[in-house]
Amino acid sequence: DTAVSQTPKYLVTQMGNDKSIKCEQNLGHDTMYWYKQDSKKFLKIMFSYNNKELIINETVPNRFSPKSPDKAHLNLHINSLELGDSAVYFCASSRRDRDYEQYFGPGTRLTVT
Amino acid sequence: AQSVTQLGSHVSVSEGALVLLRCNYSSSVPPYLFWYVQYPNQGLQLLLKYTSAATLVKGINGFEAEFKKSETSFHLTKPSAHMSDAAEYFCAVSEVGNGQNFVFGPGTRLSVLP
Repeated sequence: DTAVSQTPKYLVTQMGNDKSIKCEQNLGHDTMYWYKQDSKKFLKIMFSYNNKELIINETVPNRFSPKSPDKAHLNLHINSLELGDSAVYFCASSRRDRDYEQYFGPGTRLTVT
Repeated sequence: AQSVTQLGSHVSVSEGALVLLRCNYSSSVPPYLFWYVQYPNQGLQLLLKYTSAATLVKGINGFEAEFKKSETSFHLTKPSAHMSDAAEYFCAVSEVGNGQNFVFGPGTRLSVLP
């Protein structure tokens, strides 16, 4: 009964490739997020999305795009991968009546070679 | 704009000693404040949160934090450290009623020495 799940857990790929990371939550939350955690553990929000609005952090390259087929899923698609994209990517979800506290997935470690 | 600073990227304490992890925030609107813990190779887990009710907030695993508006602080404490508390701790701030502006601090790595 995992709350927020991500696949794959590890992803190794070459520069220039396109890849996707999937995220699913079974908490009935209405807002989902993608975060990037770099090698120094710094955590930065990339996107937040509910059924009405997508908010994009302006520092995120447009090679990154979130896709939400329904309220329970928010996938991350990355085009033309670069070395600097290597990081751990976390999906999270929240709901308004829980003060938007974030529930995190286990993370996907992306390594670009 | 909101921001969070955590004084001390690495804190070491002896087992049984007091844990004090510092967090200061900046926000132009009333904030919600959170502490999260991250164990190695895992996602973040909520320890506790402040949402404008009681200023002293108790969380899981014996942790608590006190919101001090005058000092713009939300320091995390635990009376007696356990080896299992060794992890990365993150303070975060968001705007009241706004789930789309979560800002995390840089994190503090807590080591517990036997």
